[in-house]
This record gives sequence, structure tokens and C-alpha cells, in this order.
Amino acid sequence: SQQGEEDPQALSIQEGENATMNCSYKTSINNLQWYRQNSGRGLVHLILIRSNEREKHSGRLRVTLDTSKKSSSLLITASRAADTASYFCATDADQAGTALIFGKGTTLSVSS
Amino acid sequence: NAGVTQTPKFQVLKTGQSMTLQCAQDMNHNSMYWYRQDPGMGLRLIYYSASEGTTDKGEVPNGYNVSRLNKREFSLRLESAAPSQTSVYFCASSDWTGGTEAFFGQGTRLTVV
Repeated sequence: SQQGEEDPQALSIQEGENATMNCSYKTSINNLQWYRQNSGRGLVHLILIRSNEREKHSGRLRVTLDTSKKSSSLLITASRAADTASYFCATDADQAGTALIFGKGTTLSVSS
Repeated sequence: NAGVTQTPKFQVLKTGQSMTLQCAQDMNHNSMYWYRQDPGMGLRLIYYSASEGTTDKGEVPNGYNVSRLNKREFSLRLESAAPSQTSVYFCASSDWTGGTEAFFGQGTRLTVV
């Protein structure tokens, strides 16, 4: 079964608003990553947060990680129409040699 | 810099036919992966290769085989295609399996009729 579960499944906002997506996972992890997928394209890496980190920033992105709750959130501030995409969290389990497991994703729609 | 290249981009197969999806990366990555993406299901791991010479099953390996031909190339074979294998297939690579960014190809859209 899939490790990560994003919430909400779909999110619609206006340009300039903030978008928050959540990810819950099941087992202990080494790292959690967020990816973005534009329609019909491959996934693009956004940010990686390690299990010993609680918060990380990259431009307009802010990621938090709560390992006690097995959850992470991705905040996109001041959203733009170009942020319209699907966003996925991915985890690698706390054992050597395991592959990234993805959640089902959140579809974000930003209207101008 | 090409990154991860998948061929073909589109394919239609008849039930029972076989085919091989090709993937090559030019980033000298050790690990390579095959995922399938279905509507509402996100990406599911089919097989992966943590390093040259090794392959492991993922979440949904049934009906597929893989070959890590060399460090650059990782192919996915459908021996007898079924309509349930209609999907978009993504190949990815990363430096190692843990704690490193994965780079994705543009996908292969496969339809089995």
C-alpha cells in the first residue's frame, strides 16, 4: 500500500492566496520529499526535508515535518497561476536500499 | 543535458502482445526506478534498481520484468500485456535510493486494447 497520503485531494484558490497541502505517512522515514507535476509531464523535485529537521524553506515554499505525528505540510505563499499543478509527497523508509514511495497527490488550481 | 530519456512516448498494444519500455539517464546515477501512474492512484513503484546489478520489486511488480542493462539503462518489459496495464509509465533515477533527489523522464503513455 502507498506510504504517503496527501490532503486535500484537490484545492482551488485565487492568485495571491496561500496554499497548504498535507501529507501523512505510515512508517518511520529517513527523508520526505515534495514533487510537483504539471499536466502531462514528469515530476520535478521541489524540496527535501530530513527526519531530524522540522522546517525548511525554499523561495515561496515552506515545508514542515512532524515525525511524532508522521505528517508533513507544504505551504506555497502568494500563489500564482503558474503554480497550478499536482503536488506529491514521497518518503523513503528508515532502512537502507529502499525506494521512494509516493502518495496520491493534491491537485492545486490557482485562478487569476 | 538530457537527464532521463524514455522511449517510446506513446504506445498502443493489443492484449497479449509484449513490449519493452526503454529508459536511459546521463547523470551517472546509481539508482533507477519504474513507476506507473493511474488516475486517482498517484505513482506506484513497479521495480527499482538500487545499483547496477541489482533489482527489487516494488508495490505492483506483477506482469512486469526489468533489466538493469548497465549503469545508464533500465528497461521495463511487459511479457503479455493486459488492459489493466494501461497507464502512464515513468522512469526515474537518483544518486542513491535514500535522501537524494529523483529525476523523472517525461513518461510513456501506454494503452492496451
